[in-house]
Amino acid sequence: DAKTTQPPSMDCAEGRAANLPCNHSTISGNEYVYWYRQIHSQGPQYIIHGLKNNETNEMASLIITEDRKSSTLILPHATLRDTAVYYCIVRGRGFKTIFGAGTRLFVKA
Amino acid sequence: GAVVSQHPSWVICKSGTSVKIECRSLDFQATTMFWYRQFPKQSLMLMATSNEGSKATYEQGVEKDKFLINHASLTLSTLTVTSAHPEDSSFYICSATRESGANVLTFGAGSRLTVL
Repeated sequence: DAKTTQPPSMDCAEGRAANLPCNHSTISGNEYVYWYRQIHSQGPQYIIHGLKNNETNEMASLIITEDRKSSTLILPHATLRDTAVYYCIVRGRGFKTIFGAGTRLFVKA
Repeated sequence: GAVVSQHPSWVICKSGTSVKIECRSLDFQATTMFWYRQFPKQSLMLMATSNEGSKATYEQGVEKDKFLINHASLTLSTLTVTSAHPEDSSFYICSATRESGANVLTFGAGSRLTVL
């Protein structure tokens, strides 16, 4: 599975967009980009995933660069409840999900 | 949506005893489930892959005789921590995936084990 690199922490003002970057320069053609988040003392929660195209759902948007070597998760209007650790994971279908250190997002009032 | 239930959510036990944690997929069948553990301020570490009807596949460094995994049905996997010691105290999390679609993992809420 490709390795990902994320900043250890980020701050965001409540109501503003939170843009969380992820580098995955060794991604292979059949590997998807998945984003999960973990709020303190809870199990991880799925947010969004994509292969090549940008994706949007009710929680977030995922922007994947054309060369697929990096992506950005966008929370359009961050709230205090979005404070969590966000994990960017790259893997092919059927493979194990390995977590890196993630990005700790602090949303401040 | 897919729901994974984990029980118990927290447990305290004495050193030397065994503890069983259950993981159930409530509204879908999961031929594969995964068990993770997480220490404070650390990321999730994959312990093993649980396969329905066959032996679990353990990650390197995880003792299979210490952490017994049983996946007897398509909706239930269990993790038994045998002869627990204080260093086994951790947050244990299971996950499951539908085999179709994009293989999105659904996680349980986790089980916090404290061994005295």
